Amino acid sequence: GAVVSQHPSWVICKSGTSVKIECRSLDFQATTMFWYRQFPKQSLMLMATSNEGSKATYEQGVEKDKFLINHASLTLSTLTVTSAHPEDSSFYICSANRGIYNSPLHFGNGTRLTVT
Amino acid sequence: DAKTTQPNSMESNEEEPVHLPCNHSTISGTDYIHWYRQLPSQGPEYVIHGLTSNVNNRMASLAIAEDRKSSTLILHRATLRDAAVYYCILRSRTQGGSEKLVFGKGTKLTVNP
Repeated sequence: GAVVSQHPSWVICKSGTSVKIECRSLDFQATTMFWYRQFPKQSLMLMATSNEGSKATYEQGVEKDKFLINHASLTLSTLTVTSAHPEDSSFYICSANRGIYNSPLHFGNGTRLTVT
Repeated sequence: DAKTTQPNSMESNEEEPVHLPCNHSTISGTDYIHWYRQLPSQGPEYVIHGLTSNVNNRMASLAIAEDRKSSTLILHRATLRDAAVYYCILRSRTQGGSEKLVFGKGTKLTVNP
């Protein structure tokens, strides 16, 4: 089955530093990738849609200069949390779309970010 | 975005069937109904999806109302590994062609041994 790999699975960083999270589709080409954030006991919140070779589309209320998304190839998208603060601590999850309308989305196992 | 309504939580006993309901009264004609589930500290996992007809796969069955304003995910024999949060989602296509998946609050399923 299709596999999406997310790395790292967890990271602890100091306030003010930047953290990069990678999302890779291992056995298919992902024309679109999605980034979500999930706080404890809450649902997933869509942050942005990332298309290969073009700028990401951010959801309302998500700061594009704080959450930098790069989708450089059909198998890799990265999310960089810049100048992280404790309130950015969350579970970040990516998902990838094969590009076929209505095909299931495949999700990574998430990255637990803790900012101290 | 079209929205779905699900009960916050449900309980089941092991090896019994489970019916997880979902209301989506604002569904449009081209929206597919998708179900995903999420185990603790993991990313969501695809379960099943459908448009109008009922669907079956190795994980579950999806029963869709004739007016498409509601659907039910059926787990035929619940196991302890089925304990998860189940999300019912309408797969919408935006004007730009992207296919966002917007999650609601989901139903937390507890399976008792």
